[in-house]
Amino acid sequence: EAGVAQSPRYKIIEKRQSVAFWCNPISGHATLYWYQQILGQGPKLLIQFQNNGVVDDSQLPKDRFSAERLKGVDSTLKIQPAKLEDSAVYLCASSGDRGFTMNTEAFFGQGTRLTVV
Amino acid sequence: AQSVAQPEDQVKVAEGNPLTVKCTYSVSGNPYLFWYVQYPNRGLQFLLKYITGDNLVKGSYGFEAEFNKSQTSFHLKKPSALVSDSALYFCAVRDGRGSTLGRLYFGRGTQLTVWP
Repeated sequence: EAGVAQSPRYKIIEKRQSVAFWCNPISGHATLYWYQQILGQGPKLLIQFQNNGVVDDSQLPKDRFSAERLKGVDSTLKIQPAKLEDSAVYLCASSGDRGFTMNTEAFFGQGTRLTVV
Repeated sequence: AQSVAQPEDQVKVAEGNPLTVKCTYSVSGNPYLFWYVQYPNRGLQFLLKYITGDNLVKGSYGFEAEFNKSQTSFHLKKPSALVSDSALYFCAVRDGRGSTLGRLYFGRGTQLTVWP
């Protein structure tokens, strides 16, 4: 079974520039998550999709971050404009080939390491 | 509010010795608890989860975790550590109520080092 695919693996941009990350979840997984992991901290949920609908985006800084999941499959996360404090690893995860349940574990991609200079 | 605490930033053990990585949690409703491991430049890998039932949960790579409801703890254990177990370990709890139903909260992580 193929895992969660993310690209690019690394990205370096200047502040105020824009950047986009792409994620392809495990086939058949209805739930897709984007997490931000700042160095020395645990991952923090940015947004959670169920199919192509948003179920939790309360921690997404909507003035600069946006995400979409067209057709309920792959997803993109965009930052515009980027700030220095956005430097982090952005992790995509998916779960639930039988729909979302509380006991379903999430499977993570390798992440995109973003450095804003 | 839901939260997860991993009180130790680092744990160091000798190969062959037992290891414990500690986790305590605070959650509304029934706890859904998970352990993940992260190797350098890799994503998080699922190790095990507690749902209901037996308080001792067995997972991947010989790891197990002990759920203790009265102490609100979910400590990760392994009877005999390997050098290859050296990695960053995260405890997580799933929110069981309210507007954040289903959200997964992670601890800060514990760096495990196993020396030969």
